[in-house]
Amino acid sequence: AQKVTQAQTEISVVEKEDVTLDCVYETRDTTYYLFWYKQPPSGELVFLIRRNSFDEQNEISGRYSWNFQKSTSSFNFTITASQVVDSAVYFCALSEAGGYSTLTFGKGTMLLVSP
Amino acid sequence: KAGVTQTPRYLIKTRGQQVTLSCSPISGHRSVSWYQQTPGQGLQFLFEYFSETQRNKGNFPGRFSGRQFSNSRSEMNVSTLELGDSALYLCASSTGTGDGEKLFFGSGTQLSVL
Repeated sequence: AQKVTQAQTEISVVEKEDVTLDCVYETRDTTYYLFWYKQPPSGELVFLIRRNSFDEQNEISGRYSWNFQKSTSSFNFTITASQVVDSAVYFCALSEAGGYSTLTFGKGTMLLVSP
Repeated sequence: KAGVTQTPRYLIKTRGQQVTLSCSPISGHRSVSWYQQTPGQGLQFLFEYFSETQRNKGNFPGRFSGRQFSNSRSEMNVSTLELGDSALYLCASSTGTGDGEKLFFGSGTQLSVL
């Protein structure tokens, strides 16, 4: 069975600090998809990024970057120069082939950015 | 383009009652999935409907059921409510045509069971 572990429950940083959110996953499938979602206080989950198991190219998008390493089953997310508006709960999730909309989520990491 | 709409936003029920939650997906999306979010268990998948058929189901008791209408709107029903059913119920939509699609979530229905 698949599993997603986010070991960091809560992280507090001061604005402009860089912060990395860790995600470790388990799956027996060779084809799978990894996601990061953000949940602000309003409640809805907002999609940030998706990676499939065949694409280990790391990506930078503005202040966000992602590091996908199959060798360590990790899919970490970094925010550079954090801002107060980044405060939210961040979820890492896994979907396997044939699962369509079935996501297995980690427990989430609450990020608090102080001014 | 309107987002995913969930109604009602808040619900208060008592044990033993039943409840129906509603979800309107993004126009053109044929897949609707439901998730339960609690402080203890986190986010857990309930079920997914695609073109009015349940395509996937999570590990929840039969008290949790759903359906999808021809316009892709979906309802979720919980019968014989228990205290442990108190949770944020999130609905998500997608085109449903392949694996690994990004999901668009609604703001959820906060259910409190007293």
